[in-house]
Amino acid sequence: ETGVTQSPTHLIKTRGQQVTLRCSSQSGHNTVSWYQQALGQGPQFIFQYYREEENGRGNFPPRFSGLQFPNYSSELNVNALELDDSALYLCASSWGGTNTGELFFGEGSRLTVL
Amino acid sequence: KQEVTQIPAALSVPEGENLVLNCSFTDSAIYNLQWFRQDPGKGLTSLLLIQSSQREQTSGRLNASLDKSSGRSTLYIAASQPGDSATYLCAALTGGFKTIFGAGTRLFVKA
Repeated sequence: ETGVTQSPTHLIKTRGQQVTLRCSSQSGHNTVSWYQQALGQGPQFIFQYYREEENGRGNFPPRFSGLQFPNYSSELNVNALELDDSALYLCASSWGGTNTGELFFGEGSRLTVL
Repeated sequence: KQEVTQIPAALSVPEGENLVLNCSFTDSAIYNLQWFRQDPGKGLTSLLLIQSSQREQTSGRLNASLDKSSGRSTLYIAASQPGDSATYLCAALTGGFKTIFGAGTRLFVKA
């Protein structure tokens, strides 16, 4: 069974640039959610994708967008990067798109915005 | 708006001690509550998932309880070991498919 994998593991961008982060869900999972974790804080929910559609969103501006592909992998795109976007971005997969599925996380992508 | 709080923020105990980590949530309308472990700079490892209809779950030395009416969950760790040192996070799944995390409890177990 393949776990959740994320890429890249680390990246550095400058303010105003755009970034794309990728996530492959765990085998058999059809739901992906994304989180932003600032240093010393708990993860903040960005959004969730189920069957290629966004079905839940946290308090993040529209410059945070995503996609889910037919193989259930997903991308997180962030436009017009700001310094405060520097964080660990975590992806989680689960089964069913409902509120009862256990979440399994990847190791994250560490984004630094200069 | 759902808020999740974890107390204490940090905890240092000697090896072998039994300990309890607390998680409280403001809205009892949750679908489930999940406990995670996070090592520095790493992703989250799932420890226990409690569905809203359940009262507790156990895995090895870990036991998690859920009391929706009081808005509380506890994670009990028996016979703590230095390898248990990590940050422990609880997360509540709420309406709108949103998962709300607490800020975590940083645990240090001294050998």
